[in-house]
Amino acid sequence: QVQLLESGGGAVQPGGSLRLSCAASGFIFSRYDIHWVRQAPGKGLEWLAYIGKNGHYKSYGDSVKGRFTVSRDNSKDTVYLEMNSLRLEDTAMYHCARDFTWSIDHWGQGALVTVSS
Amino acid sequence: QTVVTQEPSFSVSPGGTVTLTCGLNSGSVSSASYPSWFQQTPGQSPRTLIYNTNTRSSGVPDRFSGSILGNKAALTITGAQADDESDYYCMLYMGSGTWLFGGGTKLTVL
Repeated sequence: QVQLLESGGGAVQPGGSLRLSCAASGFIFSRYDIHWVRQAPGKGLEWLAYIGKNGHYKSYGDSVKGRFTVSRDNSKDTVYLEMNSLRLEDTAMYHCARDFTWSIDHWGQGALVTVSS
Repeated sequence: QTVVTQEPSFSVSPGGTVTLTCGLNSGSVSSASYPSWFQQTPGQSPRTLIYNTNTRSSGVPDRFSGSILGNKAALTITGAQADDESDYYCMLYMGSGTWLFGGGTKLTVL
């Protein structure tokens, strides 16, 4: 079955960096685009980033543009989210999710990122 | 700034029908927005209910349906059950490879 497993979360100081990974299994990874979505504690969902099948097309939400970078390695069935210049307000659960017809059909369990001094 | 609007909260009686909506603060939602709907209970990852306006995700019961009503996307739950009590989020494709979520609707079944 389709599985997406995030890793790399943890605690970081403001201004620091962190890289999240999303390992996919149960489907042909290179045929699917991938999203990153986050949810701050007690808040709603926020769309962050999107990467096309071959990694050439990327797009970002306004709140992370210029600070976060999405990439993928189809040989490893993995997508990455490089997060730089982290702020207190970046504290959230970060989910990767599989795109299907300009929507999301499967979600990962999430990785918790805590930005704190 | 574009905002996706959802009712903050809604209440439905067990067995009743409820329609949640998803709109834009400026403009209309259409099928070209590829509206999708997600259900989330506390501490859990979201679960996809509906994508591409009205297509149910695998395993989703047919009492959940999606549509366009006027200038909004809509999620209708027919025959509400106690375990439908959740947060519901819509997501719209905004063009240029970007998406936006609505603020979510907290549904109470009582």
